[in-house]
Amino acid sequence: DADVTQTPRNRITKTGKRIMLECSQTKGHDRMYWYRQDPGLGLRLIYYSFDVKDINKGEISDGYSVSRQAQAKFSLSLESAIPNQTALYFCATSDLPRDGGPILYNEQFFGPGTRLTVL
Amino acid sequence: GQSLEQPSEVTAVEGAIVQINCTYQTSGFYGLSWYQQHDGGAPTFLSYNALDGLEETGRFSSFLSRSDSYGYLLLQELQMKDSASYFCAVIHTGGFKTIFGAGTRLFVKA
Repeated sequence: DADVTQTPRNRITKTGKRIMLECSQTKGHDRMYWYRQDPGLGLRLIYYSFDVKDINKGEISDGYSVSRQAQAKFSLSLESAIPNQTALYFCATSDLPRDGGPILYNEQFFGPGTRLTVL
Repeated sequence: GQSLEQPSEVTAVEGAIVQINCTYQTSGFYGLSWYQQHDGGAPTFLSYNALDGLEETGRFSSFLSRSDSYGYLLLQELQMKDSASYFCAVIHTGGFKTIFGAGTRLFVKA
């Protein structure tokens, strides 16, 4: 079944460590996204990619980097983790706009999330 | 800047109708989406309004008024399983960034 998967599902690490969160999808979508979710703040966009050569910063990219290794893979890295990066991280994918016209539709499909704790 | 505002919590009774509002301040966007998220789960897409007016999908309806910078999600015949968080979101025309509201936690009581 087509799906969006994230690894690991849970991770506890220490301040200063480098961490990589991975996302894979079998939906064949070109567009992929990384969000973090904090209580009371909803989902905030970290980075997004519309194809393997296109990477864009979101609202809160500082302290994060990404790599789009293939159409199906989009990784998020924390170069030197800090406690305020403790959060739930979601990867998402979406298809291209329909009918070649203005973006009228952008359903995003989310992975199960990675709960990251930085001590 | 751009922001979307939603009530933090709403409580309603099983079988009732509830409306979750979303007001926004953004210079331009393509449409308003709604997502549902159960505790411990991932957000799932519910509806999308590209144009002003009402879109209906089963028990759920969504409305958009660009002139009033306002939208809402309407849930009818509430069921216990509708207890979840609901997020509105827009795709900003500047760079196609997706901006989510902080979410509304819906509690459905028996």
